[in-house]
Amino acid sequence: GGIITQTPKFLIGQEGQKLTLKCQQNFNHDTMYWYRQDSGKGLRLIYYSITENDLQKGDLSEGYDASREKKSSFSLTVTSAQKNEMAVFLCASSINWGGAEQYFGPGTRLTVL
Amino acid sequence: QQQVRQSSQSLTVWEGETAILNCSYENSAFDYFPWYQQFPGEGPALLIAIRSVSDKKEDGRFTIFFNKREKNLSLHIKDSQPGDSATYFCAASRRDSNYQLIWGSGTKLIIKP
Repeated sequence: GGIITQTPKFLIGQEGQKLTLKCQQNFNHDTMYWYRQDSGKGLRLIYYSITENDLQKGDLSEGYDASREKKSSFSLTVTSAQKNEMAVFLCASSINWGGAEQYFGPGTRLTVL
Repeated sequence: QQQVRQSSQSLTVWEGETAILNCSYENSAFDYFPWYQQFPGEGPALLIAIRSVSDKKEDGRFTIFFNKREKNLSLHIKDSQPGDSATYFCAASRRDSNYQLIWGSGTKLIIKP
């Protein structure tokens, strides 16, 4: 088995601040994802990376940047945190792109004051 | 516009009953439908999935019933137990979009002992 680690678990930022969330997986999966989960809503895809040197925008990429540093790690940057923003950011990985089961980390909960 | 819709935000059933969670979708091109289960403080985990060529998929106490003509599906949890209390997400994907998952907003299931 494997595990996905997300750091930090909780992140509190100020309006306008640039914030970085990190994700590590030891499944040796090719594909990694960043989702945003808002209360009462489904998961929305922010960025994904099909293989180590790839980066693709999802439906919710505006206001975010991402970086696939190596096969096992995928970072997400909130470029300018919005006041009163509160959401959980979930990292996931799958063996490849195209219908494979996605394995999720426990999430980073973001609060912007 | 919700492509994947879960009509109930929450559902409460008694222990031992069958819980039925409903999901409908708009795009008839969707052909793969996973259900993910999420416990508080954790990321979602794949529970069971069905392809549109089938009308039923069973795995232990969990069964998906799929109606292609009506564009809806349901997850039945037989003999429900307090440990089944979680949020359940219906998702859909299609081959011509590389199986990118489109998520429903989730149903929070509470099993009362």
